[in-house]
Amino acid sequence: NAGVTQTPKFQVLKTGQSMTLQCAQDMNHNSMYWYRQDPGMGLRLIYYSASEGTTDKGEVPNGYNVSRLNKREFSLRLESAAPSQTSVYFCASRRGAQGGGGNQPQHFGDGTRLSIL
Amino acid sequence: AQSVTQPDIHITVSEGASLELRCNYSYGATPYLFWYVQSPGQGLQLLLKYFSGDTLVQGIKGFEAEFKRSQSSFNLRKPSVHWSDAAEYFCAVGATGGFKTIFGAGTRLFVKA
Repeated sequence: NAGVTQTPKFQVLKTGQSMTLQCAQDMNHNSMYWYRQDPGMGLRLIYYSASEGTTDKGEVPNGYNVSRLNKREFSLRLESAAPSQTSVYFCASRRGAQGGGGNQPQHFGDGTRLSIL
Repeated sequence: AQSVTQPDIHITVSEGASLELRCNYSYGATPYLFWYVQSPGQGLQLLLKYFSGDTLVQGIKGFEAEFKRSQSSFNLRKPSVHWSDAAEYFCAVGATGGFKTIFGAGTRLFVKA
């Protein structure tokens, strides 16, 4: 039972380069999320997808784009990487339901550690 | 607006001692409350959750948490800490009808022998 799988696990980029972080879940969840984690700041929501076909901005969307490719996959793209985007990125999913599913826990991947030089 | 405050950035306890991690939330209605644990190099794992009913909830790994509406708190406790409990702990709140979960900044737990 894989749960939420993120690739790659580690990546080093140069300023200005682009890359896509991949996320896939095998739990048939409706909602998917991208967070970044920085020391002392907890988890900050970048984008989320409440259901297949929809995406919405979170707390810190600038510099990122997302694609909900299908129900399983939700990718995060950095078009022109900046040193301020050095962080650990987590993808999460939740079963979701009509009305949001706020009572449901999120399931997390193991993260992508991204360094931008 | 919803918010979650974890007042302690880090806590150190001796192995075998009891533990209490504090969490205060701000939310207009009865919230959905969660505690997650993150071991180094890993994602977050759910420890326990509170929706309604009994205000003392039991979770995995011997953890429990108590919801106190009057204090807007949801503190995490464990009677006897093991060295393997060293990790970062996050309190979170989910909203009725909402897609988002709001996380606290986390408390890092150190366990000394």
